[in-house]
Amino acid sequence: QQQVKQSPQSLIVQKGGISIINCAYENTAFDYFPWYQQFPGKGPALLIAIRPDVSEKKEGRFTISFNKSAKQFSLHIMDSQPGDSATYFCAASYYGNKLVFGAGTILRVKS
Amino acid sequence: EAEVAQSPRYKITEKSQAVAFWCDPISGHATLYWYRQILGQGPELLVQFQDESVVDDSQLPKDRFSAERLKGVDSTLKIQPAELGDSAMYLCASSPREGGRDAGELFFGEGSRLTVL
Repeated sequence: QQQVKQSPQSLIVQKGGISIINCAYENTAFDYFPWYQQFPGKGPALLIAIRPDVSEKKEGRFTISFNKSAKQFSLHIMDSQPGDSATYFCAASYYGNKLVFGAGTILRVKS
Repeated sequence: EAEVAQSPRYKITEKSQAVAFWCDPISGHATLYWYRQILGQGPELLVQFQDESVVDDSQLPKDRFSAERLKGVDSTLKIQPAELGDSAMYLCASSPREGGRDAGELFFGEGSRLTVL
């Protein structure tokens, strides 16, 4: 049972463009929604996270938009750079436990 | 910068053999997780420890997998016997404490990639 559904599976963006990755969830008990970035051969690393009491969080070029009523959240990468090429995972957890991940999005930024 | 240490980085074994993976979390992190990541998929939780106690092992195939964290610090994940379908990356992660605002910030190691022939 996939608790967090992520799309698209892969994404190609031109340098300087905006990358958008979407996730949807079912469990309304989830209260923490992080995004992880993973480079080949490395473990995932926390990129940015949001809690459902806010609708948007921005850190540098990365922004999470959160729609509680629709049970959806998305990652926007502004001014995408080749160094952003990686696999991105959305995730969700309840009270900090049992983080469940989406299937991942492979992002390629073309220079 | 503190890191989660894992070993070995790579392991090739034949099916029916036993394999073991070791993890040393960031010092002071009470919660330790083992995740399995099949190529092209997101990580899936196998087991979660709070100190030396198992908090969640509902997804751990207990007929062949075992995990321990005897002194509440480092941890070992064992597979016996290994099967072809066990080929995956085994990721260890730690977090400062269970529950609360910071517990969702997992710090992952670089993983142990297992290939079962």
